[in-house]
Amino acid sequence: KNEVEQSPQNLTAQEGEFITINCSYSVGISALHWLQQHPGGGIVSLFMLSSGKKKHGRLIATINIQEKHSSLHITASHPRDSAVYICAVSGEYGNKLVFGAGTILRVKS
Amino acid sequence: ETGVTQTPRHLVMGMTNKKSLKCEQHLGHNAMYWYKQSAKKPLELMFVYSLEERVENNSVPSRFSPECPNSSHLFLHLHTLQPEDSALYLCASSQDHWTGELFFGEGSRLTVL
Repeated sequence: KNEVEQSPQNLTAQEGEFITINCSYSVGISALHWLQQHPGGGIVSLFMLSSGKKKHGRLIATINIQEKHSSLHITASHPRDSAVYICAVSGEYGNKLVFGAGTILRVKS
Repeated sequence: ETGVTQTPRHLVMGMTNKKSLKCEQHLGHNAMYWYKQSAKKPLELMFVYSLEERVENNSVPSRFSPECPNSSHLFLHLHTLQPEDSALYLCASSQDHWTGELFFGEGSRLTVL
């Protein structure tokens, strides 16, 4: 079992739908990262959070430290949101990141 | 534009070739990283440099040789690679070693024939 598990692995949505991607982890962490990878390969950091909730535009990330769980929400989804979304955690003492396998999101118009 | 630039974006090489991947960051960060992303596998850390010193080598074969001449530049020298080394190689930087947000380059897609 991986230390970081994401679900679902694949997700297809219709434009405008509300989307949720989940991340569960089994280790103590100092921070959790949500990353976005477009087909060209480049990765963009969306959020880094250690508690509560963060919002940026149509994206919202939440984390529940007690339950070792985080969610990434996309409101009013758009085809340009189609990408791979990756959850990663940095260890309790700020050591190296452990990555989830990613969630492939496709938003259809 | 993320502030982290990788070249080349695509590279095809034979198993006996020697080539290098280059990464440059314009963010004033102190830490730089090489990651490998193989098909259908999570990102794997290869090397970490902090203030130009290698602080982590994640059991990477010696046919991959990193070099960090200054805090803005990071190279990955490739020699006698195997076809299974074909992957996307991503460079990243952060303000300090393992703290703060990671900024990634666009990646170098390597194919070993």
